[in-house]
Amino acid sequence: DAKTTQPTSMDCAEGRAANLPCNHSTISGNEYVYWYRQIHSQGPQYIIHGLKNNETNEMASLIITEDRKSSTLILPHATLRDTAVYYCIVRAINYGQNFVFGPGTRLSVLP
Amino acid sequence: DSGVTQTPKHLITATGQRVTLRCSPRSGDLSVYWYQQSLDQGLQFLIQYYNGEERAKGNILERFSAQQFPDLHSELNLSSLELGDSALYFCASSETSGGARAKNIQYFGAGTRLSVL
Repeated sequence: DAKTTQPTSMDCAEGRAANLPCNHSTISGNEYVYWYRQIHSQGPQYIIHGLKNNETNEMASLIITEDRKSSTLILPHATLRDTAVYYCIVRAINYGQNFVFGPGTRLSVLP
Repeated sequence: DSGVTQTPKHLITATGQRVTLRCSPRSGDLSVYWYQQSLDQGLQFLIQYYNGEERAKGNILERFSAQQFPDLHSELNLSSLELGDSALYFCASSETSGGARAKNIQYFGAGTRLSVL
């Protein structure tokens, strides 16, 4: 079973920030938080991952709470092309374990 | 473009038949993962290979098998196909299977859509 809880769906206005929450209250000390997205039926796309510090890359920012029990993925200026299902996954980084995907959050960016 | 190549993109076949799906990982990636995505089950992990050896098994049926060849490409064989096997099949690759510094980010291919009629 997935170790994360995400809202089923969210809407966001184009050009505004999209904040996608994820709860992972049972996360272990050696587990990272990964975010992927899947646009329509394309292959899942890696977005970002982090352990305990906030992370930022060209696609998004990841904010992890101090107790690491929850996190938020931020798309700073959402576009229509960001409409997708977003998956939050926790997994130990070593030994190349497979990802356990939950149902994710369906983000709809509205014009 | 993730760098992971899957062929064919679409496959239509009949019940009882056997098909082979192919995956070429990103250059330098030693690990290959196979996932199945059906409408009612979401993304399910099937099997992982690392440098030619099976490393982990998930919800893979006995009718399904896979292998990874010396050139690191992988094939997923599906036999005695049933209507319920209709799904998207994704392959992913990552740089390594172990090591504390490995990011182990999985990069996914575009998938093979299998339709069993």
